[in-house]
Amino acid sequence: AQSVTQLGSHVSVSEGALVLLRCNYSSPVPPYLFWYVQYPNQGLQLLLKYTSAATLVKGINGFEAEFKKSETSFHLTKPSAHMSDAAEYFCAVSLKTDSWGKLQFGAGTQVVVTP
Amino acid sequence: DTAVSQTPKYLVTQMGNDKSIKCEQNLGHDTMYWYKQDSKKFLKIMFSYNNKELIINETVPNRFSPKSPDKAHLNLHINSLELGDSAVYFCASSQYHTGELFFGEGSRLTVL
Repeated sequence: AQSVTQLGSHVSVSEGALVLLRCNYSSPVPPYLFWYVQYPNQGLQLLLKYTSAATLVKGINGFEAEFKKSETSFHLTKPSAHMSDAAEYFCAVSLKTDSWGKLQFGAGTQVVVTP
Repeated sequence: DTAVSQTPKYLVTQMGNDKSIKCEQNLGHDTMYWYKQDSKKFLKIMFSYNNKELIINETVPNRFSPKSPDKAHLNLHINSLELGDSAVYFCASSQYHTGELFFGEGSRLTVL
């Protein structure tokens, strides 16, 4: 079965600093990978997705992620944090053999941005 | 216009009661989902319907019964509520095989 591990349940970054959120996955077959963001009291919103095309994926709000098969990782980065990036971030995996909506989510990483 | 809307947003009820949550999407998607988020923010899929047909039914107590009257609506009925049912329930929709889910704002259920 597939699974997702997000390293660090809380990350604190200074405004203007690099944001790096780590995600590792395990999957018996090539996976599809996603990053979602959840702002307080809201539903989740898709940031970006990897579906076996380019390994470097660009998403909304200046975020990007790189699929590294050898490291089974899909880390999320943003060069310069903004106060509005404070939110919960979820990495998720879906198998090609499964319904695409059957996402297996990681435990989430809370991002705090300090002035 | 809200793309995926859920009602009610908040639900406080006693153990043993029955409650329903309704969901509607106006995105023209053919697939809808129920996800449960627990107090530690862990998200788990419960059900999914594609064109009104149940396609995902995870290991969920049969006290939970989804119903999809049409492609734009997916309701969740819960019988005999238990303390452990307290959570935020998210409805989501997508076009099948796109992998991009659109989530509602959630319905926070508290069972006392």
